[in-house]
Amino acid sequence: DAKTTQPTSMDCAEGRAANLPCNHSTISGNEYVYWYRQIHSQGPQYIIHGLKNNETNEMASLIITEDRKSSTLILPHATLRDTAVYYCIVRVVNYGQNFVFGPGTRLSVLP
Amino acid sequence: NAGVMQNPRHLVRRRGQEARLRCSPMKGHSHVYWYRQLPEEGLKFMVYLQKENIIDESGMPKERFSAEFPKEGPSILRIQQVVRGDSAAYFCASSPGGASDTQYFGPGTRLTVL
Repeated sequence: DAKTTQPTSMDCAEGRAANLPCNHSTISGNEYVYWYRQIHSQGPQYIIHGLKNNETNEMASLIITEDRKSSTLILPHATLRDTAVYYCIVRVVNYGQNFVFGPGTRLSVLP
Repeated sequence: NAGVMQNPRHLVRRRGQEARLRCSPMKGHSHVYWYRQLPEEGLKFMVYLQKENIIDESGMPKERFSAEFPKEGPSILRIQQVVRGDSAAYFCASSPGGASDTQYFGPGTRLTVL
């Protein structure tokens, strides 16, 4: 079973920031938070991951609360092409641990 | 740097035939994972392999399914005597190993069983 809880769906206006929340209240100290997205029926696309500190890359920012029990993925300027299912996954730091995908959040970016 | 490659992208089989799905990991990656996504469902882990070894096959159906990752060549997911319930998208992911061990996914193979 997935260890995360996400809203089923969200809408965001094009050009605005999309803030996708994720609860992972049972996260362990050796577990990373990963975000992937799946656009239509394509393969999941890696977005970002972090352990304790906030992270930023060219796609998004990841804000992790100090107690690590929740996080937020931020797409700073959402476009129509960001419409996808977004998955928040926690995974132990170890070789070969598979990802457990939950239902994710279906983000619709509206014109 | 080419990403994870999977072929074929679409595969149609009749009940009882065999399906072979291929996955070439990213350059430098020696870890391969297979996932299955049934229609309107989430991705489910099937098997994890390193070169010439199956490390974790806890998600593989007990019968008809097998996987390999030979020393040379792509990883192969083989489904014998396919049934309609095998119709799904099969995704392969690869990773380099290491502390955070991010997995990168291929475009998938869509198997349709008639």
